[in-house]
Amino acid sequence: GENVEQHPSTLSVQEGDSAVIKCTYSDSASNYFPWYKQELGKRPQLIIDIRSNVGEKKDQRIAVTLNKTAKHFSLHITETQPEDSAVYFCAASYSGGGADGLTFGKGTHLIIQP
Amino acid sequence: DAGVTQSPTHLIKTRGQQVTLRCSPKSGHDTVSWYQQALGQGPQFIFQYYEEEERQRGNFPDRFSGHQFPNYSSELNVNALLLGDSALYLCASSPGPGTIEQYFGPGTRLTVT
Repeated sequence: GENVEQHPSTLSVQEGDSAVIKCTYSDSASNYFPWYKQELGKRPQLIIDIRSNVGEKKDQRIAVTLNKTAKHFSLHITETQPEDSAVYFCAASYSGGGADGLTFGKGTHLIIQP
Repeated sequence: DAGVTQSPTHLIKTRGQQVTLRCSPKSGHDTVSWYQQALGQGPQFIFQYYEEEERQRGNFPDRFSGHQFPNYSSELNVNALLLGDSALYLCASSPGPGTIEQYFGPGTRLTVT
């Protein structure tokens, strides 16, 4: 089955700086890669996703890049703000046309230092 | 528009007991997936229901079973509870075939003593 590795486990950056979280996946058939943000005691929130037919996707301060050959994808957050502090999870799945079970990484605790 | 809802919020059970958790998907969504999130870990896929049938299953024992009702709501049942079943149980819904985004509910925190 699919295996997703996520690094780093903890990332501390100064407010206003950029943050990058990296994930690798094992199953070359995977074609859908979402990122979720989970604040303490709250539900995971879908913040951005990318499909395998696209190399990069951007939404305001958040971007995701995908390298299918190397089987890795990354989340980039620019101009970080205190409200970006949370645990971020990457995930991967194969979608044959519907929502399939996601395989998650272990998470990155992002800390924004004021 | 109500998002995904789950009940109860918290639950404490004794080892060996059985538990039922409930999920109502977001309006307009017909596919429900269940995940187990242990403390400090990412969610792990248990199974998915569509059209009242289990469509896909992760690597969980048969003690974990589910059901989907005609109104698309779903239940997760766990029999013969073990201490290791203590976790946050998350339900996620998606709009159905052709759409792959999944939206999570707030979860049910299960503690097995």
